[in-house]
Amino acid sequence: DVKVTQSSRYLVKRTGEKVFLECVQDMDHENMFWYRQDPGLGLRLIYFSYDVKMKEKGDIPEGYSVSREKKERFSLILESASTNQTSMYLCASRKISGSVGEQYFGPGTRLTVT
Amino acid sequence: GEDVEQSLFLSVREGDSSVINCTYTDSSSTYLYWYKQEPGAGLQLLTYIFSNMDMKQDQRLTVLLNKKDKHLSLRIADTQTGDSAIYFCAEWAGTASKLTFGTGTRLQVTL
Repeated sequence: DVKVTQSSRYLVKRTGEKVFLECVQDMDHENMFWYRQDPGLGLRLIYFSYDVKMKEKGDIPEGYSVSREKKERFSLILESASTNQTSMYLCASRKISGSVGEQYFGPGTRLTVT
Repeated sequence: GEDVEQSLFLSVREGDSSVINCTYTDSSSTYLYWYKQEPGAGLQLLTYIFSNMDMKQDQRLTVLLNKKDKHLSLRIADTQTGDSAIYFCAEWAGTASKLTFGTGTRLQVTL
């Protein structure tokens, strides 16, 4: 079974803090993604990575950065957390070849910025 | 451009059938998916359909695809309280590296 894990289920941070959200997948998937989920807005893509050391902006990259130094790990960084970044953050991974293209999701990190 | 739309909320009685609808705009979609998200959890893939199919059945789940109208639906037979969740449809154009998700439909099952 594919497993995508996220470093924390719940996180509370203060405005202005630097925040790291970690995601690890164990199935050698090439693509990895970070989304945020807010009520009524569905999933919005923040950043994604085609492969190691590659990254692409998604639909809402402002205020975020990412790092993919190893294939299995994709980190989301909030350089200076703000209250409007309070949200559920979901990580996903996807294998390109030999699959039907589906994404596998982690359990999510609920981040509260006070 | 890509856009996937769903209604936000559906309420059904236990034992009835639920039908969750989705419309999409990308005619080059290769695969379409239904994901389920239970409270406080990530998304789990429920089922998918290849774009050259018009129906797929998997136990209580039936997926219907009308490619002409770009309409996808998920029917859940004999809906149970454990089916209460948010359901997302998603499409993949095959050439892109990401899926496009709908806004999600919250299914509420009442006794």
